[in-house]
Amino acid sequence: NAGVTQTPKFRVLKTGQSMTLLCAQDMNHEYMYWYRQDPGMGLRLIHYSVGEGTTAKGEVPDGYNVSRLKKQNFLLGLESAAPSQTSVYFCASSYVGNQPQHFGDGTRLSIL
Amino acid sequence: DAKTTQPPSMDCAEGRAANLPCNHSTISGNEYVYWYRQIHSQGPQYIIHGLKNNETNEMASLIITEDRKSSTLILPHATLRDTAVYYCIVRAYNQGGKLIFGQGTELSVKP
Repeated sequence: NAGVTQTPKFRVLKTGQSMTLLCAQDMNHEYMYWYRQDPGMGLRLIHYSVGEGTTAKGEVPDGYNVSRLKKQNFLLGLESAAPSQTSVYFCASSYVGNQPQHFGDGTRLSIL
Repeated sequence: DAKTTQPPSMDCAEGRAANLPCNHSTISGNEYVYWYRQIHSQGPQYIIHGLKNNETNEMASLIITEDRKSSTLILPHATLRDTAVYYCIVRAYNQGGKLIFGQGTELSVKP
């Protein structure tokens, strides 16, 4: 049972480049989330989804877009990467909103 | 969401109980207390949650005061592998799943 899988694990981008981070879960969870974590800080919610075809903004949504075309996948896009988006990105999922969230191992993204 | 206050760091001897406090004096009646931990740079791991009764599972116990303004996470026999940052989070049960992480408590378990 893979749980929550994030792809890629590491990536280096140049300012202005675009990329998509993929999150896949095999637990048939309805809710999925994207967080970012900067050094010495707790996680901050970027966007989340309460079901296939739905998305909503979290605390820090600017500069990111998301899509949930399939229930098992939640994509996070950076259209024009900026150095301020250098961070570790975590994806999570839960069966419903009040259930514990299961996290992936993170994607470490550096933007030069 | 109610704000939580945790000590930034704590030490615990291996094999002893680790008691991690959390203050949430502005908690509302429909808000639960959740605990997660993050080991090194891994993704956070769910530990336990509760509303007003004390809760216990295979990982830990959660003690919530009668007025619900504070709680304590207890790891009964801490091991070196319990060294991590522990986050106390208060959230309404029907709030769409959003977790607001604070700074947490960095627990160091020492031999």
